[in-house]
Amino acid sequence: DSGVTQTPKHLITATGQRVTLRCSPRSGDLSVYWYQQSLDQGLQFLIQYYNGEERAKGNILERFSAQQFPDLHSELNLSSLELGDSALYFCASSVRDRGHNEQFFGPGTRLTVL
Amino acid sequence: AQSVTQPDIHITVSEGASLELRCNYSYGATPYLFWYVQSPGQGLQLLLKYFSGDTLVQGIKGFEAEFKRSQSSFNLRKPSVHWSDAAEYFCAVGVSNFGNEKLTFGTGTRLTIIP
Repeated sequence: DSGVTQTPKHLITATGQRVTLRCSPRSGDLSVYWYQQSLDQGLQFLIQYYNGEERAKGNILERFSAQQFPDLHSELNLSSLELGDSALYFCASSVRDRGHNEQFFGPGTRLTVL
Repeated sequence: AQSVTQPDIHITVSEGASLELRCNYSYGATPYLFWYVQSPGQGLQLLLKYFSGDTLVQGIKGFEAEFKRSQSSFNLRKPSVHWSDAAEYFCAVGVSNFGNEKLTFGTGTRLTIIP
C-alpha cells in the first residue's frame, strides 16, 4: 500500500459524458501527478500540481482538466468522453519540490467509455 | 526530449533462472532512473532508483540495476526469479526542472515465469 488513494476504482460511462477522478496523496506530500495508461499510448504523464498550483503539463487533452485543493487532494476531470479515453488513470504523489522526487503511485482508476 | 526504450516486450523465464530486463534511455543531462513493477490489476510499485553515486543499485524483492552512462542503459537484474515475479516491468527516466518533475516511461516488459 503506497498510501495514495484513488476513487473510484472502476468507472463505466458513455461517450460524451463527464467524469471526475479523485486522488488523495500520501500524508505530507505536496505534489500530485496524473498519468494515463492505455494500450496504444502506454504510460503517459498528464499533469503535475504542487501545493495547489499547476507545475507541469504533459500530453493532457483540452477536454481534461485537473485541480488540487487546499487539503491537497486532487481531481482529474474528463469531459466530452470518447472511446479512446478508456484507460487506467494513475495518481502519484511525492514530497519534495526541488531536486528529484520519488513518486508513489495509487492503485488507479479504470475508466471504460462505452 | 527524454525517452526510454525497453526492447523486450515479453520475456519468459524459468523459475529459479536469472533475469535481465533491458532499458535504454535518451536524455541530455544526468538522468534520474527508476524501475517500477505492475502486477495485474495493481498500481505501480517502485523497485529501485538511481539518482547519483554508486552505479549498482539494490532494490526490493532481490532486484538490482546497473547504470551505465556509456551505454545509456539501466538494466534490471535478478539472480533467481520466483513465480511471484511475474508482472509487467517499467523503466522510467525522471526529469527535474525547477520542481517540475515528470516520469517518462518505457513501453514495459511483460515477464512470464514458467515452472
